[in-house]
Amino acid sequence: KQEVTQIPAALSVPEGENLVLNCSFTDSAIYNLQWFRQDPGKGLTSLLLIQSSQREQTSGRLNASLDKSSGRSTLYIAASQPGDSATYLCAVRPYTGTYKYIFGTGTRLKVLA
Amino acid sequence: GAVVSQHPSWVICKSGTSVKIECRSLDFQATTMFWYRQFPKQSLMLMATSNEGSKATYEQGVEKDKFLINHASLTLSTLTVTSAHPEDSSFYICSASRGSVNEQFFGPGTRLTVL
Repeated sequence: KQEVTQIPAALSVPEGENLVLNCSFTDSAIYNLQWFRQDPGKGLTSLLLIQSSQREQTSGRLNASLDKSSGRSTLYIAASQPGDSATYLCAVRPYTGTYKYIFGTGTRLKVLA
Repeated sequence: GAVVSQHPSWVICKSGTSVKIECRSLDFQATTMFWYRQFPKQSLMLMATSNEGSKATYEQGVEKDKFLINHASLTLSTLTVTSAHPEDSSFYICSASRGSVNEQFFGPGTRLTVL
């Protein structure tokens, strides 16, 4: 059974810091992995999607890497800003023939001005 | 592109009533739609997967007679919470996939509060 874990559960950093969020999954048989942002009481905003054949994806200040063999992904946020404060979720799509996503436990990020 | 909407964005109802939540793909045809549930400070848990014109597939532990899902068209899926109780209060989020089903696009969520 696929399980997705995110560490740390919560993180508070001063503005301007570079930071790394971690996501680990127990079964490496995945189609893709996706990082999302969720603001309080809101839906999900897709940040980056990494296909199983890819090693990383970049968008602006965000860079996500994927190491399928070790069951890990990291989301790197450069020069963090208060507007980056949110909960970050990673989700994997298992290679099981179904299309569902399994979500991680999330990291609550707070960037202090 | 790939916008998904949900209606209503929030709803408050009395215990015992039924509530219908709509999920629409606005600019694409969604062959598959998914319904998730999220309790406060917890992650999203998949409730069911629905394909247009066929019965939904429910995850283990989800009561299909309580959470009725209809996917009548390629742009609309509905979730009806029947005889809602306070423990059904939650944030319900839908997502939709198109074509290759390689990526899901999420709606803004519906906050359900059952009194």
